[in-house]
Formats: sequence, C-alpha cells, structure tokens
Amino acid sequence: GAGVSQSPSNKVTEKGKDVELRCDPISGHTALYWYRQSLGQGLEFLIYFQGNSAPDKSGLPSDRFSAERTGGSVSTLTIQRTQQEDSAVYLCASSLDRAINEQYFGPGTRLTVT
Amino acid sequence: AQRVTQPEKLLSVFKGAPVELKCNYSYSGSPELFWYVQYSRQRLQLLLRHISRESIKGFTADLNKGETSFHLKKPFAQEEDSAMYYCALRGSGNTPLVFGKGTRLSVIA
Repeated sequence: GAGVSQSPSNKVTEKGKDVELRCDPISGHTALYWYRQSLGQGLEFLIYFQGNSAPDKSGLPSDRFSAERTGGSVSTLTIQRTQQEDSAVYLCASSLDRAINEQYFGPGTRLTVT
Repeated sequence: AQRVTQPEKLLSVFKGAPVELKCNYSYSGSPELFWYVQYSRQRLQLLLRHISRESIKGFTADLNKGETSFHLKKPFAQEEDSAMYYCALRGSGNTPLVFGKGTRLSVIA
C-alpha cells in the first residue's frame, strides 16, 4: 500500500505568515510523529500522537507551533507567525503501534521562510 | 534524560575499506537502539535495530551497555553506502525515538 505522504513538498512563505503542513500516515497506524530536520541539527522531535491519548507535545519549540490529528488519521502541523529560523524540512512518520516501533517516514515538506 | 551523540558529522572512506559510524547514548534504563539511513533523494528508513541482531546490507551494530555505545560497522564499504546515517534511541514507556544529529558517510571510489 501507499506509504506516508506529506503535502506540500515545498513551501516558501514570508516571515510572519502562518503555514499548515499536512501528513497522511499509513492506514491503520495508530502512532504519528512530527520531526524537524535542520542542517547540522539532525532530527528534532516535535510532537507525537498515539491513538486517542493526549499528544506528547514536549518537543514543540514554541507556542507558535501546534498540531492536530483528526479522526486518528491525518495530521496538520501549524506554524504561526513564521520566523526565518523555522526554515527546515518537516518530517512526518507513523508506526503501527508501540510494540512494533519501526517508524515509516514521509518525504518531508521543505519550508523556507523569507 | 535521553541523549544520542554521533561525534562525526562527516566520515569519508575509500571503497573496500572498513567503516565504523560511532554512536553513544545516555539513558538510565535499558534502551532500544536503532540505525536509520537516508540515501540521496530518498526517505529516511530503518536500517537495523539492536534487538534483531541482524546484518543488513553488510552492516552490523552491537549494543555495548558498558560503554553506552551502538556503533555501526561494515567490513568493506561500497559506493552505494554513501548516505546520511542517524542513530536513535527509544527508552521505556510509550516514548518517541530520540535521534542523533547524524553522520554523513561518503564512500570514495
């Protein structure tokens, strides 16, 4: 079946604008993760959804960042009032559950804030 | 706190030479360790995990709890091994993976 998909693949926005990034996980995967991949910083964990549990938001860098997961499937990462330091590749991953913890990654959304 | 350290940002080796990508971790309990790989223009994907004790594409990694290390090794590097490699740790409980900053491996012909 289809893997994790993300849209858009590229997003260029002006500083101060809000952006929404979308992730479609693999069907049936209960766990969904967002990461930020910056040059020299590796993968930074942002937020984690597991089934109907409250999300783990411990990695969100500021209150400008938020994420939702509707119906236990699609997730949207929102960045408000974007700053230049938000420029990065945002990766989404999903996994079947905790016991089978291989995470399958999407292709990422490259965000450029000008 | 959980932490993964990959001390080398870039590692260049000649084709056919042995390669070792270093990974050290900090975690008070018993972690699960993973290596993920990202080839050029491809998605990040799982290479291997310590609990499987398997060799994938000629790579192996042994968890050394005494040295808190999980180094990735291959006896004879190939050009197609050139990629970005990330070491990752998962602690106990329902916690997400913690990744290192990655090492770019370049295999020179």
